[in-house]
Amino acid sequence: KAGVTQTPRYLIKTRGQQVTLSCSPISGHRSVSWYQQTPGQGLQFLFEYFSETQRNKGNFPGRFSGRQFSNSRSEMNVSTLELGDSALYLCASSIGTTGELFFGEGSRLTVL
Amino acid sequence: GENVEQHPSTLSVQEGDSAVIKCTYSDSASNYFPWYKQELGKGPQLIIDIRSNVGEKKDQRIAVTLNKTAKHFSLHITETQPEDSAVYFCAASKVGSQGNLIFGKGTKLSVKP
Repeated sequence: KAGVTQTPRYLIKTRGQQVTLSCSPISGHRSVSWYQQTPGQGLQFLFEYFSETQRNKGNFPGRFSGRQFSNSRSEMNVSTLELGDSALYLCASSIGTTGELFFGEGSRLTVL
Repeated sequence: GENVEQHPSTLSVQEGDSAVIKCTYSDSASNYFPWYKQELGKGPQLIIDIRSNVGEKKDQRIAVTLNKTAKHFSLHITETQPEDSAVYFCAASKVGSQGNLIFGKGTKLSVKP
């Protein structure tokens, strides 16, 4: 069974640009969550989606947005990139809202 | 909101020794406490979890204890092996909102052969 797949794995952007990251959950999983991981702040929750609906949102500015499609795949977008947005962005999926979270290997974003 | 504190930030043990990592949480409504292991270049992987209706849970060399009154929980690894070397994270959330985890800052465990 394939795990959580995130694309792209690495990307470099410049300040002011925008970026879209993609996440394909494990087959059959309907819940997708996104996290930002940095050395200073650790793992921070961004948002959670279930059946195309955002269930929870973390404490991030409106430049961070996401969505989930009918096939449970999810994307997150960061607009007007800042240097501080450089991080590993992790996607996790679960069967429902009470199951174990399975993480992907992340998309490493560098903002220059 | 919830806040999770984890210590120590680094831990070095000899192979075969035990390792203990401790976390405290602030929100008494939290009732789900997972532990994740993250190896270099990989995403976190769940190694054990506990819910607030249980005081202790064990899985082979790994155990977790929970003290709801004191709002702290601990990870115990016995008979450590070099492959246990990784960063370990504790987290807290509410059952039904397990996609919204509040993580501790992590413990880098080094097991020396």
